[in-house]
Amino acid sequence: NAGVMQNPRHLVRRRGQEARLRCSPMKGHSHVYWYRQLPEEGLKFMVYLQKENIIDESGMPKERFSAEFPKEGPSILRIQQVVRGDSAAYFCASSNSRAHSYNEQFFGPGTRLTVL
Amino acid sequence: TQLLEQSPQFLSIQEGENLTVYCNSSSVFSSLQWYRQEPGEGPVLLVTVVTGGEVKKLKRLTFQFGDARKDSSLHITAAQPGDTGLYLCAGAGRDDKIIFGKGTRLHILP
Repeated sequence: NAGVMQNPRHLVRRRGQEARLRCSPMKGHSHVYWYRQLPEEGLKFMVYLQKENIIDESGMPKERFSAEFPKEGPSILRIQQVVRGDSAAYFCASSNSRAHSYNEQFFGPGTRLTVL
Repeated sequence: TQLLEQSPQFLSIQEGENLTVYCNSSSVFSSLQWYRQEPGEGPVLLVTVVTGGEVKKLKRLTFQFGDARKDSSLHITAAQPGDTGLYLCAGAGRDDKIIFGKGTRLHILP
């Protein structure tokens, strides 16, 4: 009974490179959420996707960041031309319907991005 | 903007003691969730409270949702080293978007 899987667990990039973070939701889940967590901070919502659709990207920076959740394969969070301020832990969560008051979202172990 | 303030930010106590941590807001939330996050891992849901005044117990943990649904507390009885971790509260706001507090980092000394 695999949970939410994220890879890589750790990613090191130099300034200006691209970072690709992958998230495979729990089996049967078609709703995916990405969050960013800075040290000593809570999780900040970035984007909410369903299969092939971006539902809410209000928390994602408009430049350099993009997300997709294709019909086949994992959800991808892509950060182009990374800067030091992008260093953080990025968490993916999934649910079987839109996570709200009564639904639980299950979190992956996160990808820790370090930008040198 | 809806915000959740958690206090204290850090708490270090001896094994066997009791403690309470708080999650407060000036906004009303349709529900509040408590998560525990261990180093290097993602948050794990402990409980969801939905009704104002609701109290839920999970072994030595007692969760309460304020009558006005603006605040919540987590009380741990006889804390154990295994309770060490980051405790996050999260609320479902007006548009059902989940908002997280910054967390209380709890350390139980053996």
